[in-house]
Order: sequence, then structure tokens, then C-alpha cells
Amino acid sequence: EIVLTQSPGTLSLSPGERATLSCRASQTVTSNYLAWYQQKPGQAPRLLIYGASSRATGIPDRFSGSGSGTDFTLTITRLAPEDFAVYYCQQYGSPVYTFGQGTKLEIK
Amino acid sequence: EVQLVQSGAEVKKPGESLKISCKGSGYTFTSYWIGWVRQVPGKGLEWMGIIYPGDSDTRYSPTFRGQVTLSADKSITTAFLQWNNLKASDTARYYCARLALGTVRRWFDSWGQGTLVTVSS
Repeated sequence: EIVLTQSPGTLSLSPGERATLSCRASQTVTSNYLAWYQQKPGQAPRLLIYGASSRATGIPDRFSGSGSGTDFTLTITRLAPEDFAVYYCQQYGSPVYTFGQGTKLEIK
Repeated sequence: EVQLVQSGAEVKKPGESLKISCKGSGYTFTSYWIGWVRQVPGKGLEWMGIIYPGDSDTRYSPTFRGQVTLSADKSITTAFLQWNNLKASDTARYYCARLALGTVRRWFDSWGQGTLVTVSS
């Protein structure tokens, strides 16, 4: 089973700043089969990125994903107030899909 | 519009059985895998397993295999998650989610609203 470790656990930033979230896998993620989701309190997760770098439909272009192999990054340029939430990475390249433990992005 | 509508909150006692549902609409139900994800209050997301309603092919996470049963009824475009012997540790919100079209190696592109299951004596 691939273990995904997200860092930092909590990221405190101000609106307008740039956020960089990391997701590291315990082994190579096949074909960069990695997704990112956003979850706000009381809501279901929402797909942001799939295939490590492809934005989902309707996702603003301030969200971008990058990386390959075992190291992946979600970048949010110019944070908007509605971006403060918890972010999860997920790999779907192995028979058992796994999630990272999440990064909470909070307002500084 | 793709919609996954889950059944309402449940309160059960340890040892009881439970079956929660997830009704899909706005797409061809039999052509997409449906997955289930557990979220313990205040914690992260855990992938439980997936089912292909077209032929009921099912894959489980080792953590949940033998603990839950996934099923689907094509005639009513509904997927189910079932327990036969609930434990207090099953207390969580459970989400169903649809895998994007294609092979089984896909991301979750649509989510249900979640069903809160509380198990307490």
C-alpha cells in the first residue's frame, strides 16, 4: 500500500499570498495517477487536480499541480478567501487507492 | 447534472446491521465505478473500496475487506454500503463518489453529500 505524506500539516497564509502544498509517496505513483481535493467544513471533498497536473472542470487557474514519481505539489497563487480549507492528495495508481492525511490551509 | 444523493443520518447500537445508500442520476449508472470513503469526525479521508454497477465487480481496501459489503442495484441506480456487526469505531461520515469514466485507475470526479453513521450504546 502506498503511503502519502502531506506537508505541512497546517499552513497559515494571508489572502493574496502563494500557497505550496506537498505530497510525498512512499513509492512511485504509477503514471502520475495523483489527484488533489479540497474540503471545506461540513462539505464533501471537491476534485481540483487529476493526473498530477490537469485541472478539473471549473477549477480556477490559480490552482496548479506538478510533480512526478514520488513528489507532488499543489500550488495556489494569489489566495482567495474561499481557498482556506483542507487539501488532500490521493493516488489511484495502485490497487489500493490511498489519501494523504491532509493539509489545513488557514488564514493568518 | 451528475448527482449522487445519499441516505440520511443513522444512529445504531453496537452489533446491529446497517445498509446506507447512494443514488446516482444524470449519467449512465452502469458505466462508472462508485467508491466509498470514510471520514471519522475531525480526521482525514480513507478509501474503502469501489464497485462497478455494470457487473458488480468489487475491490476492497484490505482495511475494510470483511468488515463491510459493497453492492449495487442497477434497476434503481443505487449503490449500497452494508455492515453486519457495527462497532463504535464505525462512527464516521461515509461518502460515496463516482470514479471518472475509463479504466478503474481513475480519480473521484463527483461526490455525494455524505451519510453520518453514529454507533453508540
